[in-house]
Amino acid sequence: DQQVKQNSPSLSVQEGRISILNCDYTNSMFDYFLWYKKYPAEGPTFLISISSIKDKNEDGRFTVFLNKSAKHLSLHIVPSQPGDSAVYFCAASGNYGGSQGNLIFGKGTKLSVKP
Amino acid sequence: DAGVIQSPRHEVTEMGQEVTLRCKPISGHDYLFWYRQTMMRGLELLIYFNNNVPIDDSGMPEDRFSAKMPNASFSTLKIQPSEPRDSAVYFCASTMDSFSFNEQFFGPGTRLTVL
Repeated sequence: DQQVKQNSPSLSVQEGRISILNCDYTNSMFDYFLWYKKYPAEGPTFLISISSIKDKNEDGRFTVFLNKSAKHLSLHIVPSQPGDSAVYFCAASGNYGGSQGNLIFGKGTKLSVKP
Repeated sequence: DAGVIQSPRHEVTEMGQEVTLRCKPISGHDYLFWYRQTMMRGLELLIYFNNNVPIDDSGMPEDRFSAKMPNASFSTLKIQPSEPRDSAVYFCASTMDSFSFNEQFFGPGTRLTVL
C-alpha cells in the first residue's frame, strides 16, 4: 500500500501562472517531507523540504505547505516558467526511536508549463 | 564539481545473464543509496551504506540482487541471474552525513533492459 500518494499524474499550467502540486501521506510517523524535481534522462534533484514542526517553507518561487491534520502537503510554484517543466516527486521520512527512516517517494506528477 | 557518476547509462542483456551496475558517489559523502524506479512501484530504496557498511538492505528484492561498497568511492549493484522483471532504471545517490540524510544527490541512472 502506498504511503505517499500523488494522485495527479500530470498537470499543465500556463507560463506566469501558479502551479500547485499535491501530495497525501498515510503514515503518521512521517516528520520530514521533501520535493524532488526530475528532468528526462537525469536523476532527481532535491528542491525544497519541510519539517513537521512547520506548516510552510519558502524558497524563492517555491513554497511548500504542510497540513498535518489532513496528512497533506502541496508545492506551489509562482510564477511558473517553462524551465519548471519536469516530474516532481513528493517524499517523506520518519524518525523511529532516534533512527532516521528511509525516504518514501510518491510516483510523481509531470508538470508542463506552456509558454 | 562532479556529481554522482553511474555506469553504464544503458544496459541491454538477456535473461539469465549477470548484470553489474556501478556508482561513484560524491567525494566526502558518507552515505550511498541504491534505488530502483519502475512504472508500477515508482522509486524504491534497495539498500544503503554508511561509511562503506551496508545498513539497510530490506529493499533488496531477492537473493539474485547483491550490493557492495569496497571503498568510499565505489559501489556495485549486481543482479545474477537477471530476469525480465528486473528491467527498470536504477539510481545511485549519496549524501554527506546524517544531518542531510534526506537531501540526497542522485546520479543520472542506469536504464536496464532484460530481454
